[in-house]
Amino acid sequence: DSGVTQTPKHLITATGQRVTLRCSPRSGDLSVYWYQQSLDQGLQFLIQYYNGEERAKGNILERFSAQQFPDLHSELNLSSLELGDSALYFCASSTRTGPQYFGAGTRLSVL
Amino acid sequence: SQQGEEDPQALSIQEGENATMNCSYKTSINNLQWYRQNSGRGLVHLILIRSNEREKHSGRLRVTLDTSKKSSSLLITASRAADTASYFCATDGGADGLTFGKGTHLIIQP
Repeated sequence: DSGVTQTPKHLITATGQRVTLRCSPRSGDLSVYWYQQSLDQGLQFLIQYYNGEERAKGNILERFSAQQFPDLHSELNLSSLELGDSALYFCASSTRTGPQYFGAGTRLSVL
Repeated sequence: SQQGEEDPQALSIQEGENATMNCSYKTSINNLQWYRQNSGRGLVHLILIRSNEREKHSGRLRVTLDTSKKSSSLLITASRAADTASYFCATDGGADGLTFGKGTHLIIQP
């Protein structure tokens, strides 16, 4: 168990809908990262937050947004969903210089 | 875009043998991390090696880093069936999260 908790484990939704993925980082970790894993693109970095502030942006679509709350949990919001958004979404957390520890992921299926 | 590229893409060996996977990357890094992923599951952190380190050990794992060649290797000794998984290297350049390779799929034959 990495100590990073992601909910829900699975999400099935329709095109055009909006979903929210939730992540609780390991105790004491201020950094939260979101990644997407798909068969064609592999593992891609989406966005990083550090202590509530956006720190870095990767290949995140404009339809996607995230935030980190004062209690350090984070949410990734995906809107106007398309078939191609079907993927595994991972959250990871770390200290400022330590390794990133990943949650078990949320599997999103857009039908 | 993928920075780390693992080689080989797939590797099948007998239980008890050693497995070696290689990773090459393109730009300068702060550290390089290796992860294991069992089919469709979460990524398990194996080892982190910093840019000023050349070799690191953790149990049956040995990781080397050659920053002049921009390459790293992961050696798993005395492999077991439970080592069957995909292995990814990920580079941390300090700015944009981790950049992952496509992974090496390791199969340990009983």
